[in-house]
Amino acid sequence: DTGVSQDPRHKITKRGQNVTFRCDPISEHNRLYWYRQTLGQGPEFLTYFQNEAQLEKSRLLSDRFSAERPKGSFSTLEIQRTEQGDSAMYLCASSAGRQNTEAFFGQGTRLTVV
Amino acid sequence: AQKVTQAQTEISVVEKEDVTLDCVYETRDTTYYLFWYKQPPSGELVFLIRRNSFDEQNEISGRYSWNFQKSTSSFNFTITASQVVDSAVYFCALIRIYNQGGKLIFGQGTELSVKP
Repeated sequence: DTGVSQDPRHKITKRGQNVTFRCDPISEHNRLYWYRQTLGQGPEFLTYFQNEAQLEKSRLLSDRFSAERPKGSFSTLEIQRTEQGDSAMYLCASSAGRQNTEAFFGQGTRLTVV
Repeated sequence: AQKVTQAQTEISVVEKEDVTLDCVYETRDTTYYLFWYKQPPSGELVFLIRRNSFDEQNEISGRYSWNFQKSTSSFNFTITASQVVDSAVYFCALIRIYNQGGKLIFGQGTELSVKP
C-alpha cells in the first residue's frame, strides 16, 4: 500500500502522559500536513512541512505540541503532558508540493485522554 | 478571513433519491481552490474534486455533480440516485493560493445517511 500511513490508529493515555504519533507520507510527496479533528467538526490545520522544514504552525499548536520531519520523510507529532481537551483524531496528509494539488490523507490516529 | 460553511449537519435519504450538499465559502482572495472530500467510517478523507476559482463550469462524474457559483460563493455537491455506500461525512474545503502552503480550510461537514 503506497498511501499515507499513520501509527498507531488508536491511543488511550492518562492525563499528563506524553504521546507520539507517526506519519509516513506518500514517498514522492514533499509536503506533509497535520490536522486535528474533533467529533462533529471538520479537520483543523495544525502545521505543515515542506521537506524537513516546518513552514507554518497554527495557533492551535500550543507549546505542548511539537512536530518533526527529520530528513524530509516520515513525521512525528508529540504531545507532552496530555490534557482531556487533546482527545481528538489526528490526521496526517501529504501532497506533491504545489498548492493546488490535492492532499492525500491517512486514516488518522484517534487519541483518547482519560 | 477564510471560512467554509456547511449548514446541513445531517441529511438522511432513502436509496435512489437525489441529494444535494450545500457549501458556502468566504474569502477575499480572487484566486483560490475549492475541494470536496468524503470521510467514510474508517476515518480516511477521500478526495472527490478540485475546482479553481476561474473555472465556473459545472462538473459531472458518474452519479456525482458539482455546481460552482462564484456570485453566491457556493460550491454545492449533488449525488444522483444515492446508494447505501454513499453514507459518509462530506467536507467542503478551501485553499488560498498564495503563501499559504496549501493548507485546507474545512467546513464542519455534512453527515449523509442513505437508507436501503
